[in-house]
Amino acid sequence: DVKVTQSSRYLVKRTGEKVFLECVQDMDHENMFWYRQDPGLGLRLIYFSYDVKMKEKGDIPEGYSVSREKKERFSLILESASTNQTSMYLCASSSKSNEQFFGPGTRLTVL
Amino acid sequence: SQKIEQNSEALNIQEGKTATLTCNYTNYSPAYLQWYRQDPGRGPVFLLLIRENEKEKRKERLKVTFDTTLKQSLFHITASQPADSATYLCADGVYNKLIFGAGTRLAVHP
Repeated sequence: DVKVTQSSRYLVKRTGEKVFLECVQDMDHENMFWYRQDPGLGLRLIYFSYDVKMKEKGDIPEGYSVSREKKERFSLILESASTNQTSMYLCASSSKSNEQFFGPGTRLTVL
Repeated sequence: SQKIEQNSEALNIQEGKTATLTCNYTNYSPAYLQWYRQDPGRGPVFLLLIRENEKEKRKERLKVTFDTTLKQSLFHITASQPADSATYLCADGVYNKLIFGAGTRLAVHP
């Protein structure tokens, strides 16, 4: 059974903390994505990666960075968390077929 | 810039009826459109992909159409069931990137 897993389902952090969100896929997919989802705004792409050590900015990269050292793992980093980064974060992966497989999501609250 | 829009109002229908959800796009012509289902608190799940040269695609009780003249895709669920209640997302593809609509919430009542 193919799978995308995320390191935490729920996370509570304080303003200014550095936050790491990890995503692992077991499908040998080339492409991996990080989205955030907010009510009324839908899914918005933060960053994506089409190969190891490669990354591309999505629509809302400000305040975020990413790391892809291994094919199966894609990390999202909030350098200094702020309250407006409270959101649901979703990781996804895809191959050439373009359908995306999503993880269960991490609900991050920044106090 | 490219934009994809879904009806933000919830759709309420009676069990057994056909649900029809709409996805409109403007300012561009996507090579394909995808439909996903999302349940509360969970990640979206892929349902169907339709390419611009395909008019219709079916999978069990699901049917998707793609009208490049109207710049619209329709998503149909026939013989709907309460278990079909969820939010349905439309997404368009540009290379490997997807742009998602905000989704339409479907509620199927017994």
